[in-house]
Amino acid sequence: QVQLVQSGAEVKKPGASVKVSCKASGYTFTTYNVHWVRQAPGQRLEWMGWISVGNGNTKYSQKFQGRLTITGDTSATTAYMELSSLIFEDTAVYYCARGAITAHYDYWGQGTLVTVSS
Amino acid sequence: QSALTQPASVSGSPGQSITISCTGASSDVGGYNYVSWYQQHPGKAPKLMIYDVTNRPSGVSNRFSGSKSGNTASLTISGLQAEDEADYYCCSYTSSTAYVFGTGTKVTAL
Repeated sequence: QVQLVQSGAEVKKPGASVKVSCKASGYTFTTYNVHWVRQAPGQRLEWMGWISVGNGNTKYSQKFQGRLTITGDTSATTAYMELSSLIFEDTAVYYCARGAITAHYDYWGQGTLVTVSS
Repeated sequence: QSALTQPASVSGSPGQSITISCTGASSDVGGYNYVSWYQQHPGKAPKLMIYDVTNRPSGVSNRFSGSKSGNTASLTISGLQAEDEADYYCCSYTSSTAYVFGTGTKVTAL
């Protein structure tokens, strides 16, 4: 069965970077895009960006341009999301999700809580 | 890209039907048949309920249905049940090859 398993919770100081992993299994990794979505406490879902893991192409939300890097390791069937220059408002649960062919997310990771605190 | 607009809350009695709207623009909801809906229970990851405006994934109850008119998409829950209490989000593909979620709607079964 399809599974996306994310790395554990992180606590970071302002100005630091965080890298979250998303290990995929149960399907051909290079056939689907991987998206990253975050949700601040009590807030809505927010799309961050995606990677076409087959060719490495990426697309980022303008909001995160310059701070966000999404990568993929096809040998490890793992996608990564790295967010730099963290601020308090980056405290959120970060989700990876499999992007199906017609622009929707059919499987989600369990979420990773990133807390930015001094 | 601004969030798609949803009502903050919708409620109904068990057994009733409710509809959640999702309003965007011609550059997102109105321009593509790529609107999806997600159900999220507290502390859980979102779950896909509707994709491509009207399609229901296998395993999702047929009490859930989707539609679209112009720049507004809608999710209807028929025969509302207590287990349907959750937050619901719409999502659309956009003209800039990005994606945008809605503001979210809290559904309550009275």
